Amino acid sequence: GENVEQHPSTLSVQEGDSAVIKCTYSDSASNYFPWYKQELGKGPQLIIDIRSNVGEKKDQRIAVTLNKTAKHFSLHITETQPEDSAVYFCAASMGGGSYIPTFGRGTSLIVHP
Amino acid sequence: GAGVSQSPSNKVTEKGKDVELRCDPISGHTALYWYRQSLGQGLEFLIYFQGNSAPDKSGLPSDRFSAERTGGSVSTLTIQRTQQEDSAVYLCASTLNQGGNTEAFFGQGTRLTVV
Repeated sequence: GENVEQHPSTLSVQEGDSAVIKCTYSDSASNYFPWYKQELGKGPQLIIDIRSNVGEKKDQRIAVTLNKTAKHFSLHITETQPEDSAVYFCAASMGGGSYIPTFGRGTSLIVHP
Repeated sequence: GAGVSQSPSNKVTEKGKDVELRCDPISGHTALYWYRQSLGQGLEFLIYFQGNSAPDKSGLPSDRFSAERTGGSVSTLTIQRTQQEDSAVYLCASTLNQGGNTEAFFGQGTRLTVV
């Protein structure tokens, strides 16, 4: 089955700095890569996703890059703000009718004001 | 409601007791998942329902765990003879799974504590 590795497990940055979280996956058949943000006491919420037919996607201060050859993808957050502090999860799946995302172990991002 | 609803939000139970966790998915979503999140851990897949197909139970950790989805909507996760290692947050998610729309919407979770 799919295996997703995520690094780092914790990330501490100063407000305004950039943050990068990296994930690797094992199954070359995976073609859908969502990123979720989980705030304390809440369920994960999708913030951005990318499919295997594109290499990069951007939405305001967040961007995701995908390298299918190397089987890794990354989340980039620019101009970090204290409200970006949360746990971020990457996931990989094959999409289609048997879509079961496999999640990484999460990255706890702390943005210091 | 507009989102995925889970109940109860918190559950404390004694070791050996049975518990039932409920999930109300978003109306019209054909796929429903249960995940378990232990302290400091990622999301561990438990079970997946898609329409009327047989559920994918490959993630259930033992035969003490079972789940059903009635009428293609509400789902119940049952844990029999609970153990302390069952303590975790149990998350439910649903997906439309049509037209390439595979975004998973999560509920707020049920925090289960076995004492």
